[in-house]
Amino acid sequence: DSGVTQTPKHLITATGQRVTLRCSPRSGDLSVYWYQQSLDQGLQFLIHYYNGEERAKGNILERFSAQQFPDLHSELNLSSLELGDSALYFCASSLQGYTEAFFGQGTRLTVV
Amino acid sequence: DQQVKQNSPSLSVQEGRISILNCDYTNSMFDYFLWYKKYPAEGPTFLISISSIKDKNEDGRFTVFLNKSAKHLSLHIVPSQPGDSAVYFCAVRGGTSYGKLTFGQGTILTVHP
Repeated sequence: DSGVTQTPKHLITATGQRVTLRCSPRSGDLSVYWYQQSLDQGLQFLIHYYNGEERAKGNILERFSAQQFPDLHSELNLSSLELGDSALYFCASSLQGYTEAFFGQGTRLTVV
Repeated sequence: DQQVKQNSPSLSVQEGRISILNCDYTNSMFDYFLWYKKYPAEGPTFLISISSIKDKNEDGRFTVFLNKSAKHLSLHIVPSQPGDSAVYFCAVRGGTSYGKLTFGQGTILTVHP
């Protein structure tokens, strides 16, 4: 158990809909990262938050947004969903930017 | 633009032998290197890391080697066990993107009994 909690574990939704994925980082960790893993693909970096502030953006679509709240949990919002958005979405946390990141179990999103 | 490459999609090894997983990177500004292990339907699990000021780091059966001049990273597992069968990802950190981990595509390791 990494200490990073992601909910829900599975999500099935229709095209055009909007979903919110939630991540609770390990106790004390200030950084939260979101990654996407599509079928047979590696882990693609989406976005990094540190203590509530956005620090880096990767290949994140404009339809996607994220935020980190004062209690340090984070949410990833995916809107106008398309079939190609079906993937595993992972959240990771670390104490600071220069320490190891620990991953949650992921949310499997299926868009039908 | 793939900054981190794991050129072997898969590796098959006999139990008890050494497994060597390789990773190449392009940016000399990367200063922290990590290996993760991933089972299906689970999140990646951190295994071992090394900073750019070192060339070797050991943790039990796992050793990571860093060759900065060649921009090459490797993970040695000795002895390999069937439970090591998983996907192994190398990841790098540093350069201009503070905090962000950039992952390779992964290598599927199969350890046969």
